Amino acid sequence: NAGVTQTPKFQVLKTGQSMTLQCAQDMNHNSMYWYRQDPGMGLRLIYYSASEGTTDKGEVPNGYNVSRLNKREFSLRLESAAPSQTSVYLCASSEPGYEQYFGPGTRLTVT
Amino acid sequence: GNSVTQMEGPVTLSEEAFLTINCTYTATGYPSLFWYVQYPGEGLQLLLKATKADDKGSNKGFEATYRKETTSFHLEKGSVQVSDSAVYFCALTNQAGTALIFGKGTTLSVSS
Repeated sequence: NAGVTQTPKFQVLKTGQSMTLQCAQDMNHNSMYWYRQDPGMGLRLIYYSASEGTTDKGEVPNGYNVSRLNKREFSLRLESAAPSQTSVYLCASSEPGYEQYFGPGTRLTVT
Repeated sequence: GNSVTQMEGPVTLSEEAFLTINCTYTATGYPSLFWYVQYPGEGLQLLLKATKADDKGSNKGFEATYRKETTSFHLEKGSVQVSDSAVYFCALTNQAGTALIFGKGTTLSVSS
C-alpha cells in the first residue's frame, strides 16, 4: 500500500520548457489535489479534482493544466515553465472534506 | 470564504518546554479542523483533527481543541522533544467542503 506517489522527485527545467508531473494514489479516494509549497507562503492550491472526470481551479491556477486520467491518477502540466514556478509541488488525495494524504513532493527548479 | 491564520515562527524551544502554536479561523458553517506536520525532508502528514465544536484531537502528545466561541484550534504539547522539530500547518475545510485551506506554517526548532 504505497499511498500517494509522485514522479519525478526532482526536476530542473529551462524557461519555456514543458513537463508533466505525475501523481497516483491507491487508497480509492475520490478527490485529488495539487499544491505548491513556497517558503513563507504555506501551501497554495493549484487545481483539484473532486471526483473522476471533474477538475476545478484553486487559488493559483495560472500557468498550469491538469488531467484526471482515471480515479487513481492526477497529472499537472506546465506548458511553458517560468522561474516563478520554481517550487515544491505536492499531490494529495482524500474523500471530499476529510483529511488529505500527501505524496513526498516534486522539487522543481526553473532556470 | 473560509480562512485560517496561524502564528508566525520560527518558534525555538528547549527540550521539555511547553509548546503552544496559535491557530484561528474564519468560517461559514462548521468546518473540520486539522493540524499537519512536515518533518525535515519529508511530506506532510496528518497530526490530529477535530470535526465539531469542543472536540479534542490528540496524537503523539499533541492536543488541540475545537473552540467555536473563540474560532481557535491551538496546538499544544506539554513537553517537546528534539524530534518534534518540524513545520506545523493548521488547516480547515473550505466552505464547499471540497478542499482544505492551509495556514502558512510555523517552524518549530527544539534544542537539547
